[in-house]
Amino acid sequence: KNEVEQSPQNLTAQEGEFITINCSYSVGISALHWLQQHPGGGIVSLFMLSSGKKKHGRLIATINIQEKHSSLHITASHPRDSAVYICAAQGGSEKLVFGKGTKLTVNP
Amino acid sequence: DAGITQSPRHKVTETGTPVTLRCHQTENHRYMYWYRQDPGHGLRLIHYSYGVKDTDKGEVSDGYSVSRSKTEDFLLTLESATSSQTSVYFCAIKRQGRDSPLHFGNGTRLTVT
Repeated sequence: KNEVEQSPQNLTAQEGEFITINCSYSVGISALHWLQQHPGGGIVSLFMLSSGKKKHGRLIATINIQEKHSSLHITASHPRDSAVYICAAQGGSEKLVFGKGTKLTVNP
Repeated sequence: DAGITQSPRHKVTETGTPVTLRCHQTENHRYMYWYRQDPGHGLRLIHYSYGVKDTDKGEVSDGYSVSRSKTEDFLLTLESATSSQTSVYFCAIKRQGRDSPLHFGNGTRLTVT
């Protein structure tokens, strides 16, 4: 069974800071997903990656397959980035195992 | 946005009553999932479907059943609701393959009193 661990659980930053959220998983995967959930809101997919790095605007996701580790970076953070960020490991069966999430608060 | 609709959005029910939650998609995606989200646990898989009439259990399936008689609809039934099933329920859909993202519905907040 795949175990997915995220760190930190909670993160508070000042506007403009560089943010890093980490995700580790225990067994091999076919893809790693990063999701975002705003307070009281729905869940949206940010990235899926199986190798290397992806970038979308101020968000960057990286994955190291050998180390079973992925990171989500936010550059020039803004209060609207405040949300819960969730990573999920996808196995070959199309089932995903989710981390418990990282709650990010960006203060102005 | 992917066309995925959950109903109802909110429901309050009494212990012991049956409850059915509906997930409807317009994307013709093969995979459909029901998750529950509780504080301290993150998202946990209840059941999922990999095609019409093809379903399988997730990690927290006890007390829940599902049906998928059409590609577009995936129903989650609580046969006899208990207070421990008070939660936010999310449906998600996905195409097959590692390059296919998950698309989530807006969630159903269920309270069992």
